[in-house]
Amino acid sequence: QKEVEQNSGPLSVPEGAIASLNCTYSDRVSQSFFWYRQYSGKSPELIMSIYSNGDKEDGRFTAQLNKASQYVSLLIRDSQPSDSATYLCAVMSSESGYSTLTFGKGTMLLVSP
Amino acid sequence: GAVVSQHPSWVICKSGTSVKIECRSLDFQATTMFWYRQFPKQSLMLMATSNEGSKATYEQGVEKDKFLINHASLTLSTLTVTSAHPEDSSFYICSARHPQGASYEQYFGPGTRLTVT
Repeated sequence: QKEVEQNSGPLSVPEGAIASLNCTYSDRVSQSFFWYRQYSGKSPELIMSIYSNGDKEDGRFTAQLNKASQYVSLLIRDSQPSDSATYLCAVMSSESGYSTLTFGKGTMLLVSP
Repeated sequence: GAVVSQHPSWVICKSGTSVKIECRSLDFQATTMFWYRQFPKQSLMLMATSNEGSKATYEQGVEKDKFLINHASLTLSTLTVTSAHPEDSSFYICSARHPQGASYEQYFGPGTRLTVT
């Protein structure tokens, strides 16, 4: 069974700090990796996608992927109180032409002013 | 781009009635859409995968006769909760797969909050 593991948190960081969110996955043949942000009572919003090893930067967000270690992370620089949300890691795998997206349970991030 | 809408945003219905929720991809065609359910303070739970023009694939434990899914066009999927009961009260969220090369990013609708009284 494909699994995506995240620390549930909460991860508390002060405003302006770097928040580091981690995710490990079990399916070695996973191909695509996504980070979603979900505010309380709202639906998830796609904020980053990464497909190859290394870093991908988009504004204050950096996604890091290490397929050998089956590990993907999200760094948020200059964290703001508005970044307080639950961050969901999602991993896509394809099998027999059928792709599935498996979500972790999410890590709650709290950014204090 | 990649906007997904849902209607209604919230609905209150009486026990025993049926409720239909619509999910639309507004600026792209989605051959595959997904329906999730989320209870308070819990993670997303995939209910079913909806493929245009074919029967939906339901996850284990999800009653296909209770949660009817129709994906009649490349931009519309509907979920009908039949004979709703209070335990069906939840946040129902659809998502649509965006066919962008091999990426297949998945975008979520804003969700529908269902309350069954």
